[in-house]
Amino acid sequence: AQSVTQLGSHVSVSEGALVLLRCNYSSSVPPYLFWYVQYPNQGLQLLLKYTTGATLVKGINGFEAEFKKSETSFHLTKPSAHMSDAAEYFCAVRVSGNQFYFGTGTSLTVIP
Amino acid sequence: EAGVTQFPSHSVIEKGQTVTLRCDPISGHDNLYWYRRVMGKEIKFLLHFVKESKQDESGMPNNRFLAERTGGTYSTLKVQPAELEDSGVYFCASSQQGGPSGYTFGSGTRLTVV
Repeated sequence: AQSVTQLGSHVSVSEGALVLLRCNYSSSVPPYLFWYVQYPNQGLQLLLKYTTGATLVKGINGFEAEFKKSETSFHLTKPSAHMSDAAEYFCAVRVSGNQFYFGTGTSLTVIP
Repeated sequence: EAGVTQFPSHSVIEKGQTVTLRCDPISGHDNLYWYRRVMGKEIKFLLHFVKESKQDESGMPNNRFLAERTGGTYSTLKVQPAELEDSGVYFCASSQQGGPSGYTFGSGTRLTVV
């Protein structure tokens, strides 16, 4: 069975500080991994994805994530937080077929 | 290209009433998905259409939920009769084909059953 764990339902960082949102997954086969972001009153927007190849993936708005198979992790980072990064972030895996398994989400607050 | 559109954006209904949610996918996208997020929980898969056919409806919670996609264009999700635990945000997504790509999600319908 597949599952996704996001540690920390709420994360607060100061503007300009490092953003680190954690995601661990369990999967019996190599997964495809995704991060989605939801800004207030908007839909889920794809930030970045890992399918195959390079394990460090760069996404939009300066975010990146690294697939670490040995740690079954796909943590999301951004070197310097901006006020506009305040949103809810969802990690998701897709193993086979077309079904996604999402984590419970992490709400990011950026403190000025 | 227009995105995935969902109607209404919010709905408040009383327990026992019926509500119908609508999703208009991106034109040409054969795959249409419904997901739901109950407050504080993960976003969970409900079902998947390929054109007008239900490919996978393993996530539908019970027979009070009925999804249709007549003609393979827009889809509706009806809840009848609604219960308190049906409250949450219902997301629709579409994709052109299968594979590892992500979907395009709509902005969701927030359903509140009181």
